[in-house]
Amino acid sequence: EPEVTQTPSHQVTQMGQEVILRCVPISNHLYFYWYRQILGQKVEFLVSFYNNEISEKSEIFDDQFSVERPDGSNFTLKIRSTKLEDSAMYFCASSEASGRAETQYFGPGTRLLVL
Amino acid sequence: AQTVTQSQPEMSVQEAETVTLSCTYDTSESDYYLFWYKQPPSRQMILVIRQEAYKQQNATENRFSVNFQKAAKSFSLKISDSQLGDAAMYFCAYRSNNAGNMLTFGGGTRLMVKP
Repeated sequence: EPEVTQTPSHQVTQMGQEVILRCVPISNHLYFYWYRQILGQKVEFLVSFYNNEISEKSEIFDDQFSVERPDGSNFTLKIRSTKLEDSAMYFCASSEASGRAETQYFGPGTRLLVL
Repeated sequence: AQTVTQSQPEMSVQEAETVTLSCTYDTSESDYYLFWYKQPPSRQMILVIRQEAYKQQNATENRFSVNFQKAAKSFSLKISDSQLGDAAMYFCAYRSNNAGNMLTFGGGTRLMVKP
């Protein structure tokens, strides 16, 4: 069964550094998402992406964040200048469409630690 | 804004027994979707079951069923004949039908299954 994959599984970085988290959505899916979960807190929506542009974003997704689909398979989340509070598990998800009750399929996550 | 609350951080059940996980939500909308996701240790979240708010009939998927009480804004998950493989983190999630595709998650319930 097709799965969403994410790399790396773990990333350690220094505060102020740029990080790029990578995701490969399911191949025939058209909608892509990023969520994050700070340790001990809820999973939070960051951004959704469709047709090469952001379709929805949360208040968390400020100018330090950007997303891109650089080729036909990858979907990336970039954090330009990481802060300590960016330490979290980042989940990528994809869905085939945005219709009623459309299922979002999640990747295993990237654990980001900012020191 | 919608909120989702899972009041049970941890639950345990004996193998072959039945367990119910609680979820309540707060919304002013009438058209929305509710989901239960399962996240086994070190694995991605997978959809267990979903419920459309306009449907009065409770959703069922094999051993998994929900008790959807729209007026009470309650959406509990019942797992019958619990198996060791059911041990996981369970997340309740809400999605509006009027405000994009973002999922709003509860804090999760860790389910342990005792042999």
